[in-house]
Amino acid sequence: QVTMKESGPLLVKPKETLTLTCTVSGFSDRLGVSWVRQPPGKALEWLAHIFSSDEISYTSSLKTRLTISKDASKSQGVLTMTDMDPLDTATYYCARIRRVFGSGLYMFDSWGQGTLVSVSS
Amino acid sequence: EIVLTQSPATLSLSPGERATLSCRASQSISDSLAWYQQKPGQAPRLLIYDASLRANDIPGRFSGSGSGTDFTLTVSSLEPEDFAVYYCQQRSTGGITFGQGTRLEIK
Repeated sequence: QVTMKESGPLLVKPKETLTLTCTVSGFSDRLGVSWVRQPPGKALEWLAHIFSSDEISYTSSLKTRLTISKDASKSQGVLTMTDMDPLDTATYYCARIRRVFGSGLYMFDSWGQGTLVSVSS
Repeated sequence: EIVLTQSPATLSLSPGERATLSCRASQSISDSLAWYQQKPGQAPRLLIYDASLRANDIPGRFSGSGSGTDFTLTVSSLEPEDFAVYYCQQRSTGGITFGQGTRLEIK
């Protein structure tokens, strides 16, 4: 049973860098960690995922601002997003991402509770 | 990037009725589609993957179908706890995208 929990600042200022941490129980080197965000009242948006240092993917629209990593020694995944803007105000979720071999689907089968990050001066 | 379009935006039904939710992909994705349920203040929950396979612990009243560009999530007989927002999701070489969601509300 894998559980995920996000942590990080609730409020950041415009232009600042956001760092979010996902603490995972049941962590393994093969664990896929992903970040998905949801602005208030809006749809889900995938941001990035990591399976290993050789297998990282970012959404194209935010690629230049995102960095994702995993730290097995701490059982954590980390996402940084630079140059924060009020439009980045959202609930940020970490989720376990799994590959379905055969179909090529990547699915999110375990989610953290989410953390609401507001961007305001 | 593949765009997923869900319809209707809102579906108003009564408990016991059958719900049919649609997701259309901008290009063929074979059967590489998942469905999620999200209740207010909660994280999404995986319901269906590979278009038609139920995830662990998902009740049998939820079923998925379709392939290519047109997909359907069906709830055979609505329970009070099924009223929520539903999202479809795909993964392609262009990245992972979600639909904009269908809100299933009590009539």
